[in-house]
Amino acid sequence: ETGVTQSPTHLIKTRGQQVTLRCSSQSGHNTVSWYQQALGQGPQFIFQYYREEENGRGNFPPRFSGLQFPNYSSELNVNALELDDSALYLCASRWDSSYEQYFGPGTRLTVT
Amino acid sequence: EDQVTQSPEALRLQEGESSSLNCSYTVSGLRGLFWYRQDPGKGPEFLFTLYSAGEEKEKERLKATLTKKESFLHITAPKPEDSATYLCAVHAQAGTALIFGKGTTLSVSS
Repeated sequence: ETGVTQSPTHLIKTRGQQVTLRCSSQSGHNTVSWYQQALGQGPQFIFQYYREEENGRGNFPPRFSGLQFPNYSSELNVNALELDDSALYLCASRWDSSYEQYFGPGTRLTVT
Repeated sequence: EDQVTQSPEALRLQEGESSSLNCSYTVSGLRGLFWYRQDPGKGPEFLFTLYSAGEEKEKERLKATLTKKESFLHITAPKPEDSATYLCAVHAQAGTALIFGKGTTLSVSS
């Protein structure tokens, strides 16, 4: 069984740029969620995708967007990066009939 | 508003010194309460799911319990390798997301 993988591991961007983060779901999982975790905080929900459609969103602006592909892999796109976007971005996957989410190792984004 | 509060924020133990971490929650209908372990700079590692009051789960030196208002993660005779941040999260009936607490950072010294 393959776990959740994310790429890249680390990323440094400049304020105003755009970034794309990638996630491969755990084998057999059809639902993927993205979370943002600032230092010393718990993860904050960004959005969830099921069957290639967004079906839940947290309190994040529209410049945070995503995609889910037929193979259940996913992307998180962030436009017009701000300094406060610096955080660990986590992808989590699950089977739609279960509430147990399994997380990837995360992508550390630094915005300068 | 759905909310999760964890205490203490940090806990220092000697190897073998048992203790408990607390997770208090307010949620409109609980679908599940989850415990995760997170090592620095890494993603959360799933530990337990609890669904109803009175339920208990165990794994090695860890035992999780659930009441209608809170959950406890009991650590028996901890070892230095148990040092990590422990996160509690709830899935509310009306939502699609996990709502996390800020975590308890546990340090176990030998």
